Amino acid sequence: GAVVSQHPSRVICKSGTSVKIECRSLDFQATTMFWYRQFPKQSLMLMATSNEGSKATYEQGVEKDKFLINHASLTLSTLTVTSAHPEDSSFYICSAREQGAPEAFFGQGTRLTVV
Amino acid sequence: AQTVTQSQPEMSVQEAETVTLSCTYDTSESDYYLFWYKQPPSRQMILVIRQEAYKQQNATENRFSVNFQKAAKSFSLKISDSQLGDAAMYFCAYQNSNSGYALNFGKGTSLLVTP
Repeated sequence: GAVVSQHPSRVICKSGTSVKIECRSLDFQATTMFWYRQFPKQSLMLMATSNEGSKATYEQGVEKDKFLINHASLTLSTLTVTSAHPEDSSFYICSAREQGAPEAFFGQGTRLTVV
Repeated sequence: AQTVTQSQPEMSVQEAETVTLSCTYDTSESDYYLFWYKQPPSRQMILVIRQEAYKQQNATENRFSVNFQKAAKSFSLKISDSQLGDAAMYFCAYQNSNSGYALNFGKGTSLLVTP
């Protein structure tokens, strides 16, 4: 299958700071990327969908000013958690899909800890 | 909105035996995809099997097969000859074009494989 690389895999940041997570499609053009959040022992919840060159579409309850998503190229999307707080600590995982393909491929995920 | 229900929080199977994980979903669409994903402790999402709703034939991938009952909106996963490496969380997921091809996940089933 296609390869999606997510970086960093783990990050610890201080409360009030911002952290950026990158999601790259290595061998295909990702026209659509998805960002999910997973709390411990829970399922993946969709945060937002981003299409290359367009503004991201956020799910209800997800603050777009807090979770900034940029999808400026066909191989890279970024999620920036701004003014992070301990309740933002979670596992964030991206997936990327090529136009016309039936499935998206997942990155390795990022474990964010806000202290 | 589509919902995906996995009614078995935990399942256990002995090595070499067969286990079936259940999944039901609710949708008014006729064209969609269904997936089973495996999430081991590394938390990497691994695609196990995919089913297109328009296909009547059940998908099969080696030891993994599904029982897709479209009218009943049921999509169970059968794992044959279970191996210790099959131990993981298993998520059933629904996808269609109306949601921008984002995945809607069930709550997951934790599979334990005993020697």
